[in-house]
Amino acid sequence: DIQMTQSPSTLSASVGDRVTITCRASQTIVKWLAWYQQKPGEAPKLLMDEASRLKSGVPSRFSGRGSGTEFTLTISSLQPDDFATYYCQHYYGFPWTFGRGTKVEIK
Amino acid sequence: QVQVMESGGGVVQPGGSLRLSCAASGFTFSRIGMHWVRQTPGKGLEWLSFIESDENKRYYADSVKGRFTISRDNTRNTIYVQMDSLRPEDTAIYYCAKDDPVLGVWGQGTLVTVSS
Repeated sequence: DIQMTQSPSTLSASVGDRVTITCRASQTIVKWLAWYQQKPGEAPKLLMDEASRLKSGVPSRFSGRGSGTEFTLTISSLQPDDFATYYCQHYYGFPWTFGRGTKVEIK
Repeated sequence: QVQVMESGGGVVQPGGSLRLSCAASGFTFSRIGMHWVRQTPGKGLEWLSFIESDENKRYYADSVKGRFTISRDNTRNTIYVQMDSLRPEDTAIYYCAKDDPVLGVWGQGTLVTVSS
């Protein structure tokens, strides 16, 4: 199975900060990577797929980059609504696997 | 409005069985594949299973292969997962999700607790 490694596991930041989360795959997944945001008590919400394709309604301050085995999610200017846990997930064949998550908390 | 909603969770003893349902609305269900995913505090998010729109293909995570069975009823816009030989480590919130082609729309989840 493809292992997905996210870092950091926790990130402390302030409103307005630029933050970047990294996700590494144990083998190439080309561009078949999705990012999700999850808030406490809620289901995950899809932010983007194909590593960088933003879903409708997701603010443009979110961006994704990468291909092969290394990917990043960047929030250009952190907003109060962005404090949440973020997960990457590959879909380069089954079984799909997730990273362990990055909790973005208020500094 | 595209929605999926899980039901059927509860408390079950180790070795027991449970069937979860996921009712879908707001899209042409019979043309769309569907997934089950679960979440635990310890292991995080775990993809479990996928079923194609016409049930021709089904896929499972190794952790549930041989114990869980995914199915669907396109006349009822519903998917199911039959969970047998349940273990304490199957305790989790279980979500269904619409294939989009990733996990595009999730339900609110249903809690399954495996405990004696």
